[in-house]
Amino acid sequence: KNEVEQSPQNLTAQEGEFITINCSYSVGISALHWLQQHPGGGIVSLFMLSSGKKKHGRLIATINIQEKHSSLHITASHPRDSAVYICAVQGGSEKLVFGKGTKLTVNP
Amino acid sequence: NAGVTQTPKFQVLKTGQSMTLQCAQDMNHEYMSWYRQDPGMGLRLIHYSVGAGITDQGEVPNGYNVSRSTTEDFPLRLLSAAPSQTSVYFCASSGDLGLGYTFGSGTRLTVV
Repeated sequence: KNEVEQSPQNLTAQEGEFITINCSYSVGISALHWLQQHPGGGIVSLFMLSSGKKKHGRLIATINIQEKHSSLHITASHPRDSAVYICAVQGGSEKLVFGKGTKLTVNP
Repeated sequence: NAGVTQTPKFQVLKTGQSMTLQCAQDMNHEYMSWYRQDPGMGLRLIHYSVGAGITDQGEVPNGYNVSRSTTEDFPLRLLSAAPSQTSVYFCASSGDLGLGYTFGSGTRLTVV
């Protein structure tokens, strides 16, 4: 079974700071997902990656398949970015294995 | 609005009671899945389905039952509720690979 590790577990930043959240996994995958869970509990899919880099607004996700590592970056962070960010990996099927999440708090 | 609809949002059950958590999607997605989320742990897969009439077990299937009679609906049944099943449950669906997953808003279940 794939083991998914996220770091840090908790992250506090000041508004405007550049944020990086890391995800590493133990076994080769077909895709990696970044999800966002807001304090209200809902989960939103941010990115699905199989190689390289994707960008959406102030969010950037990268993946290094050889190193089994992915990063989620947030530029010019804002209090509304406060949420739990979850990394999930997908093997040969559609089943997902999830990390425990990184709780991000952005203070004004 | 297109998406995944879960009901109910909250539920309290007594030990031994049974109930069904409903999940419906209107995106014609083939893949649907149920997860539970517990404090300090990542989401864990309970059961999943790759299409109508096809279901399979995930990581933590014991005490739960599913069926998939239509593409749209994927209900999760708790056969005899136990306090260990207190959790937040999420349903998710996925269509063609590459488009990611859509999650329902969750059901917070408490078993007393």
